[in-house]
Amino acid sequence: DTAVSQTPKYLVTQMGNDKSIKCEQNLGHDTMYWYKQDSKKFLKIMFSYNNKELIINETVPNRFSPKSPDKAHLNLHINSLELGDSAVYFCASSQGVQGTGNTIYFGEGSWLTVV
Amino acid sequence: GENVEQHPSTLSVQEGDSAVIKCTYSDSASNYFPWYKQELGKRPQLIIDIRSNVGEKKDQRIAVTLNKTAKHFSLHITETQPEDSAVYFCAAINQAGTALIFGKGTTLSVSS
Repeated sequence: DTAVSQTPKYLVTQMGNDKSIKCEQNLGHDTMYWYKQDSKKFLKIMFSYNNKELIINETVPNRFSPKSPDKAHLNLHINSLELGDSAVYFCASSQGVQGTGNTIYFGEGSWLTVV
Repeated sequence: GENVEQHPSTLSVQEGDSAVIKCTYSDSASNYFPWYKQELGKRPQLIIDIRSNVGEKKDQRIAVTLNKTAKHFSLHITETQPEDSAVYFCAAINQAGTALIFGKGTTLSVSS
């Protein structure tokens, strides 16, 4: 059983399109995240949800909109895709927020290429 | 906010040698410091972590040391093997306590 699963794994799309990446975790965790990893391998936090409530929204363009229908799911919708959005997007989860140091488990990543 | 600096960005060693990766952090309230390993095309995975109430932790060939006064922590890999080749990330908790902030990664290459 995959603990944190995200789909699609690969996505190639044209500039200006709208796309979504879905994420589900079966670990029973209450906190989920989206991280972006660019071509230089930098891992940067984008969003964090705790029990479906947004707790982090870093300086991400408002073309990116996360949605958490329940605490096991955190989807990422991207409007009007730009070339610079090309990256690997990792979903992750942990039991509780990071204040007490809870292990973060990553999904396999979604490779987004905007052409 | 929290800032995590990681050095070196690349590290090449011969099989059997030791490898050391160093990180510094800015927020003195940070109390949890994990290390993640990311193999090519794979997800980052936790390999070891340390909390602020200890100075060193070991797990077989991997050890992590923490100096809270100096605000730096290091990953030590002994007897390196080719399968240790990967990108290694250090991390610390952000100031709000809501997420992990990662260093920029170290690409470790172990040649046989």
